[in-house]
Amino acid sequence: AQSVSQHNHHVILSEAASLELGCNYSYGGTVNLFWYVQYPGQHLQLLLKYFSGDPLVKGIKGFEAEFIKSKFSFNLRKPSVQWSDTAEYFCAVNAGYSTLTFGKGTMLLVSP
Amino acid sequence: NAGVTQTPKFRILKIGQSMTLQCTQDMNHNYMYWYRQDPGMGLKLIYYSVGAGITDKGEVPNGYNVSRSTTEDFPLRLELAAPSQTSVYFCASSSLAGGHGDTQYFGPGTRLTVL
Repeated sequence: AQSVSQHNHHVILSEAASLELGCNYSYGGTVNLFWYVQYPGQHLQLLLKYFSGDPLVKGIKGFEAEFIKSKFSFNLRKPSVQWSDTAEYFCAVNAGYSTLTFGKGTMLLVSP
Repeated sequence: NAGVTQTPKFRILKIGQSMTLQCTQDMNHNYMYWYRQDPGMGLKLIYYSVGAGITDKGEVPNGYNVSRSTTEDFPLRLELAAPSQTSVYFCASSSLAGGHGDTQYFGPGTRLTVL
């Protein structure tokens, strides 16, 4: 069965700092990879996704993620965070006919 | 489009009571899901459905039941509420095209407390 590991449970950054959130998955075959975001008091929404092709994926609000197959990783990055990026971020993976598996989430707090 | 809607937003139950969490989507999506979200644990899949009349268990189905009589609606039933079912429940849907690997659209959630 597939699994997803997010390295950090909590991250605190100052505005304008760079962000990298780690995500590793365990599955040897073809996968679809996602990052979802949950802003305070809101429901989850898609940030970006990788299905195939260019391993560098660009999403909304200046976020990007790089799929590195050899490392089973799909880390999320943003060059300069804003206070409005404060949210919980979830990595998720789907392989074959399986349902989506979510990581435990990383809570990002950006201080102004 | 309203997307995915859930009712109620909040609910407090006593141990042993039952209730139904409602979920409706207006995107004509075949796939629908119920998740529970507990602090620090991410989202766990309770049940899912790939179309009207078809449902299947997810990772944590015990204590819950579902039905899918129409494409739009996917209610989640708690028969005998227990404190362990205190959680935030999210309903989601996705289109048939990408299967379980397609983008999921989430509802606003139902915060349930069982005392």
